[in-house]
Amino acid sequence: EAQVTQNPRYLITVTGKKLTVTCSQNMNHEYMSWYRQDPGLGLRQIYYSMNVEVTDKGDVPEGYKVSRKEKRNFPLILESPSPNQTSLYFCASTSTERALGYEQYFGPGTRLTVT
Amino acid sequence: AQSVTQLDSQVPVFEEAPVELRCNYSSSVSVYLFWYVQYPNQGLQLLLKYLSGSTLVESINGFEAEFNKSQTSFHLRKPSVHISDTAEYFCARPRGQAGTALIFGKGTTLSVSS
Repeated sequence: EAQVTQNPRYLITVTGKKLTVTCSQNMNHEYMSWYRQDPGLGLRQIYYSMNVEVTDKGDVPEGYKVSRKEKRNFPLILESPSPNQTSLYFCASTSTERALGYEQYFGPGTRLTVT
Repeated sequence: AQSVTQLDSQVPVFEEAPVELRCNYSSSVSVYLFWYVQYPNQGLQLLLKYLSGSTLVESINGFEAEFNKSQTSFHLRKPSVHISDTAEYFCARPRGQAGTALIFGKGTTLSVSS
């Protein structure tokens, strides 16, 4: 089954404690992204990757890091989380085939609370 | 910059009533448009999409959206809603030509009551 998986699904942590949210896709997609969803703001892109070792900033990259060492995995790293990073996070992957219009396949989300 | 604007943040309706969720986009040479739905406590699911061809696109659960180039709109409609349609709906488009990201509207919460 084609899917994007994220772990953990729920996480409560304290300010400054480094954490990693994992994302994996089994569709051999080149493009992967991280978004955060906040009430009244919709989804905003944090980082994206066009292929292994190729990453770039999205709209709200401050306080986050990513890496793309393997095609299927795209972890999101918060080296020193702060309360304003409390949010719902989505990983997504994208087909490059033009006919599919670059729609994105979303993971189930990770709800992060930073106290 | 390319953008997507959802004109209503909340739309309350009664069951079996028609509904329209409005979305406008900034004009571009080529446009792909999507509606995603997020049911309570779930992730995003693609509801329908416009890539080219017929300007009226339909989903399997009775929603439809019409691409209107002159009005730069892609409104989502359903002639008769159900309680189970209660969800948040997002209009989206790819960023630029590369398709490396989606630009989302801020979302419209559809609340269907009996």
